[in-house]
Amino acid sequence: NAGVTQTPKFQVLKTGQSMTLQCAQDMNHEYMSWYRQDPGMGLRLIHYSVGAGITDQGEVPNGYNVSRSTTEDFPLRLLSAAPSQTSVYFCASSLDRGLEKLFFGSGTQLSVL
Amino acid sequence: SQQGEEDPQALSIQEGENATMNCSYKTSINNLQWYRQNSGRGLVHLILIRSNEREKHSGRLRVTLDTSKKSSSLLITASRAADTASYFCATGPPYSSASKIIFGSGTRLSIRP
Repeated sequence: NAGVTQTPKFQVLKTGQSMTLQCAQDMNHEYMSWYRQDPGMGLRLIHYSVGAGITDQGEVPNGYNVSRSTTEDFPLRLLSAAPSQTSVYFCASSLDRGLEKLFFGSGTQLSVL
Repeated sequence: SQQGEEDPQALSIQEGENATMNCSYKTSINNLQWYRQNSGRGLVHLILIRSNEREKHSGRLRVTLDTSKKSSSLLITASRAADTASYFCATGPPYSSASKIIFGSGTRLSIRP
């Protein structure tokens, strides 16, 4: 099993551009989530999903959109990139509504110029 | 502000010594989890302790949970160079609430040879 796969690993954007960070898991997990990690800091929850068709906001949702059309995929869309969105983004999944351990992807390092 | 806060922010010890990190949180929880992050990598789950448990062991790791004080501690015994990493606590809300897993800001642990 691949676990949680994130693409791309690195991305550079110009201010105002849009892009989608991809996340896929092959463990049939109901729960998926997106976090961002700024240098020297912990992870902050952006959005999460408890199943296909169900998403909700986390701590820092502004500037990001998500959708969950399948159990496997949970893409994160940056609508109009800003320098403040420069960060490392992690996708994670869990078997049961976030009540069990999280499995993390390897991260996407995003720079917005 | 974040649910979990780790203390200390940074810790440097000699190889072979024990390392203790603390986590405090603010609201009721279903479980508390500890994760490790090596530099430039994703997070790896270490241990999960549920709200009705007081202590849990896994190899050289010992986690305690005091729900009356809203605090947890992670003890790593007989530290090794490979334990050098950042350690994060994460709290899961009560089952009836939204499924947000919130991370603290982390403790950076350095093991001196």
